[in-house]
Amino acid sequence: DAKTTQPTSMDCAEGRAANLPCNHSTISGNEYVYWYRQIHSQGPQYIIHGLKNNETNEMASLIITEDRKSSTLILPHATLRDTAVYYCIVRVVDSNYQLIWGAGTKLIIKP
Amino acid sequence: GAVVSQHPSWVICKSGTSVKIECRSLDFQATTMFWYRQFPKQSLMLMATSNEGSKATYEQGVEKDKFLINHASLTLSTLTVTSAHPEDSSFYICSAGVGGQGYEQYFGPGTRLTVT
Repeated sequence: DAKTTQPTSMDCAEGRAANLPCNHSTISGNEYVYWYRQIHSQGPQYIIHGLKNNETNEMASLIITEDRKSSTLILPHATLRDTAVYYCIVRVVDSNYQLIWGAGTKLIIKP
Repeated sequence: GAVVSQHPSWVICKSGTSVKIECRSLDFQATTMFWYRQFPKQSLMLMATSNEGSKATYEQGVEKDKFLINHASLTLSTLTVTSAHPEDSSFYICSAGVGGQGYEQYFGPGTRLTVT
């Protein structure tokens, strides 16, 4: 699976949109971009995933560049409860299930 | 849907004793379950993958005789840390795989193990 690069940490003001970037320049054509987050002392929580089209759900939006070499997770109206480590993972959706966890981005929402 | 539970949520044990952690898929059947370990300020590290009715597959560097995994049913996997030592203190997380829905992993809330 391709590797990803994320900033170590980011701050965002409560109520503003949080934009978390991820670089995956070696992504293969059949690899999806997945985002998870982990709130302190909890298990990871799935947020969203996509292949090449932009995606939106009740939690977030995922914007994938046309060349698929990078993506941005957008939390439209960040709250204090969104403070967490956010992981961007690329994976092939097959029976291998494999998820390779990088260091992620520590997002701190400030009041 | 796709809820995974772990029990206990935290445990303190004495060095040399064994501890069992349970992982259950509550509203679905999981043919594959995963066990991760996470040390403070670090990312998740996969320890082993288990398929129902089969022996677990351990990642390199994980002692299979120390971390016993049993996956006896489609909704239950257990991890037993045998002869625990302080260096085994960590956050243990399980996940359950749902093959028919894009091979997603659904994660439990984690178990904090402290060995004194």
